[in-house]
Amino acid sequence: AQSVTQLGSHVSVSEGALVLLRCNYSSSVPPYLFWYVQYPNQGLQLLLKYTTGATLVKGINGFEAEFKKSETSFHLTKPSAHMSDAAEYFCAVRKRGGGADGLTFGKGTHLIIQP
Amino acid sequence: GAVVSQHPSRVICKSGTSVKIECRSLDFQATTMFWYRQFPKQSLMLMATSNEGSKATYEQGVEKDKFLINHASLTLSTLTVTSAHPEDSSFYICSARDSGGLTDTQYFGPGTRLTVL
Repeated sequence: AQSVTQLGSHVSVSEGALVLLRCNYSSSVPPYLFWYVQYPNQGLQLLLKYTTGATLVKGINGFEAEFKKSETSFHLTKPSAHMSDAAEYFCAVRKRGGGADGLTFGKGTHLIIQP
Repeated sequence: GAVVSQHPSRVICKSGTSVKIECRSLDFQATTMFWYRQFPKQSLMLMATSNEGSKATYEQGVEKDKFLINHASLTLSTLTVTSAHPEDSSFYICSARDSGGLTDTQYFGPGTRLTVL
């Protein structure tokens, strides 16, 4: 069975500071990895995903994430936080070849941007 | 990019009534759609997998007779909450699998907020 752990239910950073949201997964085989963002009362928007190839993945809005197999991690970063980045962020996994499977989500991290 | 819509976006109903939520893939065909439930300030939990032309597959603990799923076409899946009760109040989000192209990506709808009085 797969599982996702997001360390820190709330992360607070100052505007312009580095954003680091942590995600670790548990799976017998490295899965496909995703980061989604959710704004209040809205659905999920895909930020980026890792399936194969380069382990550093660039997404939308200046976010990027690096897949580290040895650490079973897929942490999300952004060099400089903007006020508009305040939202809920979810890390999710899906097993390789499991295109017909739903995603397994972490509990989410609420990102707070301080002016 | 691919777009998934949900209707209604928000619904309030009385206890004991049934509510239908639609999920549509607008610019691609989706043989597989997924229904998730999100409680306030919590993560999304997969409820069921909806397969076009066949019965849905429900996750453990989800009552199939309470949450009826119909995937009658390649662009539409419906979730009907039957005999709704206040504990069914939640945010319901669907996603649709775009199996075409190279990425086999799931796209999420904007969600439906259900409040049962």
